[in-house]
Amino acid sequence: GAGVSQSPSNKVTEKGKDVELRCDPISGHTALYWYRQSLGQGLEFLIYFQGNSAPDKSGLPSDRFSAERTGGSVSTLTIQRTQQEDSAVYLCASSLLAGDTQYFGPGTRLTVL
Amino acid sequence: AQSVTQLGSHVSVSEGALVLLRCNYSSSVPPYLFWYVQYPNQGLQLLLKYTSAATLVKGINGFEAEFKKSETSFHLTKPSAHMSDAAEYFCAVSDTGGFKTIFGAGTRLFVKA
Repeated sequence: GAGVSQSPSNKVTEKGKDVELRCDPISGHTALYWYRQSLGQGLEFLIYFQGNSAPDKSGLPSDRFSAERTGGSVSTLTIQRTQQEDSAVYLCASSLLAGDTQYFGPGTRLTVL
Repeated sequence: AQSVTQLGSHVSVSEGALVLLRCNYSSSVPPYLFWYVQYPNQGLQLLLKYTSAATLVKGINGFEAEFKKSETSFHLTKPSAHMSDAAEYFCAVSDTGGFKTIFGAGTRLFVKA
């Protein structure tokens, strides 16, 4: 596909369960970003990957959150032992290079019951 | 540390009136500045960006923004609002490396007929 895709589009889980969110960036884009958008709030930076460099994890809210990017392409955001406050829309974006225009995916809406 | 403040979570204008959405930033290094728009039920897309070239930046759909270093502002304007401009607008800042992008809380624009 031509754009950034994310799956699943919606995820409902029970408190304490682990979830994995997937992002497929635009082919050839070296930078990949994860954000969280909570109701009524802006986008909260979580993590970014740039090429083969070590990711900037400074935005991850707790050690329950982790992300990886395999082969410089697909990325997975994992949330362990989910809490109700983790409920939000998780957005992924990619750019050709860091600093270029970011292209956003449609997001994954996570609901923790 | 970088930060972004968007004044007014909601702005309402009449069709044909001037649109002014305010954004102030803080950055310890020359910033890159962005405005993104999120139309209802759609993903985020770039409106315009400033990367230290011309201080007046023109974007899509008739929007423009002016970088004012002395005021640390990057306000978004459009001379004449259209109904289709109703959306949520996000101001964002990143360092000159563009690695980490910080978004404001967003301003929802309502356009009245």
